[in-house]
Amino acid sequence: KAGVTQTPRYLIKTRGQQVTLSCSPISGHRSVSWYQQTPGQGLQFLFEYFSETQRNKGNFPGRFSGRQFSNSRSEMNVSTLELGDSALYLCASSLETAIRKSNTEAFFGQGTRLTVV
Amino acid sequence: GEDVEQSLFLSVREGDSSVINCTYTDSSSTYLYWYKQEPGAGLQLLTYIFSNMDMKQDQRLTVLLNKKDKHLSLRIADTQTGDSAIYFCAEKDSSYKLIFGSGTRLLVRP
Repeated sequence: KAGVTQTPRYLIKTRGQQVTLSCSPISGHRSVSWYQQTPGQGLQFLFEYFSETQRNKGNFPGRFSGRQFSNSRSEMNVSTLELGDSALYLCASSLETAIRKSNTEAFFGQGTRLTVV
Repeated sequence: GEDVEQSLFLSVREGDSSVINCTYTDSSSTYLYWYKQEPGAGLQLLTYIFSNMDMKQDQRLTVLLNKKDKHLSLRIADTQTGDSAIYFCAEKDSSYKLIFGSGTRLLVRP
């Protein structure tokens, strides 16, 4: 069974540009979460999507947004890029259902490394 | 708010046991996780433990949980050079998102 696939693996963008990252979850997983990993702040939760709806959101500015499609694939978008947005962006999928359960495991993709210059 | 803390670095000799420690603050956490990250890669789920358990063993991995002290540890038996990586513990908070520690870099010396 294929794992979580993130594309592209690497991106270089200029300050002020916008970027879209893609995540294809494990087949059958309907929940997709996004995390940002930086050396200074570590791993921080961005948002979670379930059945095309944002179900949870972290403390990031409105420049960070996302969406989920009917096939559970998700995209995240960052507008007006800043140097501080340089990070590894990780996507995780899980078998979370409409009724929350604590024991669902999250499986992560390889990440997209974004460099803003 | 919730916080998860880990020591930053651990160095062991190949063949020895490694013990990585973690403390968390959210007493309502029901599941706690250990993830491994190798250079340039994403996070690999190693194991998890339910909060009503004291211990869980999975091949070379042993997880110990002291719920009273909110202390979690991961023991890797017979540590190999391939175990060199960053190890993250994480708790699932009340909104079901994962809160990660800062990671412990494990270096295995030959």
